[in-house]
Amino acid sequence: EAQVTQNPRYLITVTGKKLTVTCSQNMNHEYMSWYRQDPGLGLRQIYYSMNVEVTDKGDVPEGYKVSRKEKRNFPLILESPSPNQTSLYFCASSGEGDATNEKLFFGSGTQLSVL
Amino acid sequence: SQKIEQNSEALNIQEGKTATLTCNYTNYSPAYLQWYRQDPGRGPVFLLLIRENEKEKRKERLKVTFDTTLKQSLFHITASQPADSATYLCALHTGGFKTIFGAGTRLFVKA
Repeated sequence: EAQVTQNPRYLITVTGKKLTVTCSQNMNHEYMSWYRQDPGLGLRQIYYSMNVEVTDKGDVPEGYKVSRKEKRNFPLILESPSPNQTSLYFCASSGEGDATNEKLFFGSGTQLSVL
Repeated sequence: SQKIEQNSEALNIQEGKTATLTCNYTNYSPAYLQWYRQDPGRGPVFLLLIRENEKEKRKERLKVTFDTTLKQSLFHITASQPADSATYLCALHTGGFKTIFGAGTRLFVKA
């Protein structure tokens, strides 16, 4: 089954404790992206990757890092989480032969709480 | 500033009626526009894409229009069913590899 898999589904942590949210897709997609979703603000793009070893900032990249060492994986790293990073996070991918993100496939989300 | 606006108030309609959701944008010239459905606790699911040179796109009971002069897209669900109850997100491709999302409109279809 074609899918984007995020882990963990829920995460509670404390301020300053480094964490990684994993994302993997099995569709051989070139494009991958991370979003956060907050009430009333919609989905906001954090980082995206056009291909292996190629990443770029989205609209809200502060406090986040990403890496794209393999085509299927795109982890999101919070080096020193803060309470304002409490949010619902989604990973997405697209490809299917087209160069741009015309149809995004989303993971099920990671609900992060930073205390 | 660049903005995408969807009606933040929930839309309540009776089963069998047509639901119409609105997406307005300012200061963009998108190459295309997408609509997604999101259920509580789940990731968005792609529904339809309409390009700037297309006026209307249909898929089963769904219809999307795109007016680049008005900077508006309308999303219609005909013969609505309770199973159509969800949040619907509008998204614009703003060039390069960026997709910008609206906050979504919650739809409730009553049996």
